[in-house]
Amino acid sequence: EAQVTQNPRYLITVTGKKLTVTCSQNMNHEYMSWYRQDPGLGLRQIYYSMNVEVTDKGDVPEGYKVSRKEKRNFPLILESPSPNQTSLYFCASSSTYSNQPQHFGDGTRLSIL
Amino acid sequence: AQSVAQPEDQVNVAEGNPLTVKCTYSVSGNPYLFWYVQYPNRGLQFLLKYITGDNLVKGSYGFEAEFNKSQTSFHLKKPSALVSDSALYFCAVRGGPNDYKLSFGAGTTVTVRA
Repeated sequence: EAQVTQNPRYLITVTGKKLTVTCSQNMNHEYMSWYRQDPGLGLRQIYYSMNVEVTDKGDVPEGYKVSRKEKRNFPLILESPSPNQTSLYFCASSSTYSNQPQHFGDGTRLSIL
Repeated sequence: AQSVAQPEDQVNVAEGNPLTVKCTYSVSGNPYLFWYVQYPNRGLQFLLKYITGDNLVKGSYGFEAEFNKSQTSFHLKKPSALVSDSALYFCAVRGGPNDYKLSFGAGTTVTVRA
């Protein structure tokens, strides 16, 4: 089954404690992206990757890091989480062609205390 | 900068009645437009897209959308709503073939009452 898998689905942690949210896709997609969803703001893009070792900033990259060492994986790293990063996070993937829709994971709800 | 506006936070309709969810966009170049639906505790699911060609686009679950270039709109429609259509709907835009940034609207919550 074609899918984008995120882990963990839920996480409660404290300010400053480094965390990583993993994302993996099994569709051989070149393009992967991270979004955060906040009430009234829709989804905002954090980072995206066009292919292995190629990443770029989205609209809200501050406080986040990403890496793309393998085609299927695109982890999101919060080096020093802060309460304003409490949000619902989605990973998505698609083929390189920009006319193709993105496939989304089921989301990761992060609470930073 | 590109942007999407969904002017209604909530839309309430009775089952069997027509459903419309509004979307307007701003982008330089020819837009690539998408509608997604989100059910509770799930990721976004693709409904339909407009890339080029016929202004009326048909998608999944009986949904359709009409692209109107002069009004920069891409409203989502369903002729006869079902209770199971109750969900959060997002409109999104890209600025054409060389634009990989996808900008989303704030979302519209649709409630269909039995």
